[in-house]
Amino acid sequence: NAGVTQTPKFQVLKTGQSMTLQCAQDMNHNSMYWYRQDPGMGLRLIYYSASEGTTDKGEVPNGYNVSRLNKREFSLRLESAAPSQTSVYFCASSPSNTGELFFGEGSRLTVL
Amino acid sequence: SQKIEQNSEALNIQEGKTATLTCNYTNYSPAYLQWYRQDPGRGPVFLLLIRENEKEKRKERLKVTFDTTLKQSLFHITASQPADSATYLCALDMSNTNAGKSTFGDGTTLTVKP
Repeated sequence: NAGVTQTPKFQVLKTGQSMTLQCAQDMNHNSMYWYRQDPGMGLRLIYYSASEGTTDKGEVPNGYNVSRLNKREFSLRLESAAPSQTSVYFCASSPSNTGELFFGEGSRLTVL
Repeated sequence: SQKIEQNSEALNIQEGKTATLTCNYTNYSPAYLQWYRQDPGRGPVFLLLIRENEKEKRKERLKVTFDTTLKQSLFHITASQPADSATYLCALDMSNTNAGKSTFGDGTTLTVKP
């Protein structure tokens, strides 16, 4: 049972390049989330998807787009990467209405 | 907006003692509060959830309390072990219908010395 799987684990980009972070969960959860974690700022919600076919902005959505491809997969896209987007990105999923979040192992992104 | 403060960035204790971590919040009381453990280079792992109408929750050596008057949650690890060394995150959810839209604290790093 893999849980929440994120790819890639590490990525280095140049300013202005684009990339997509992939996330898949095999727990049949309805809700999926993308967080970023920066030193001194905790985990901050970028986007979430309460169910298949819906997406909504979180606390820090600027510079990102998401796609809920199906119930299993939720991708995060950076169209034009900026150094301020250097961070560790975590995907998470949750069964509806329980609050408990299951996190992936993170994707470490550096933008030069 | 909700602000969360977790006690000092680092907490060092001796093996066998009880570790107590604090999570304070401002503004409105959350519908529920969660505690997660995070090891270096790994994703957070869920430990316990406590709802606004609950005073205390236990799981094995872990205990969480929730005081909506003080706007504070305490997280206790009894009979601590070196394997308990990690960063512990507090997270608040404001609504029962928005599960997962959590606001996280910065975390407290616990080191248990043998």
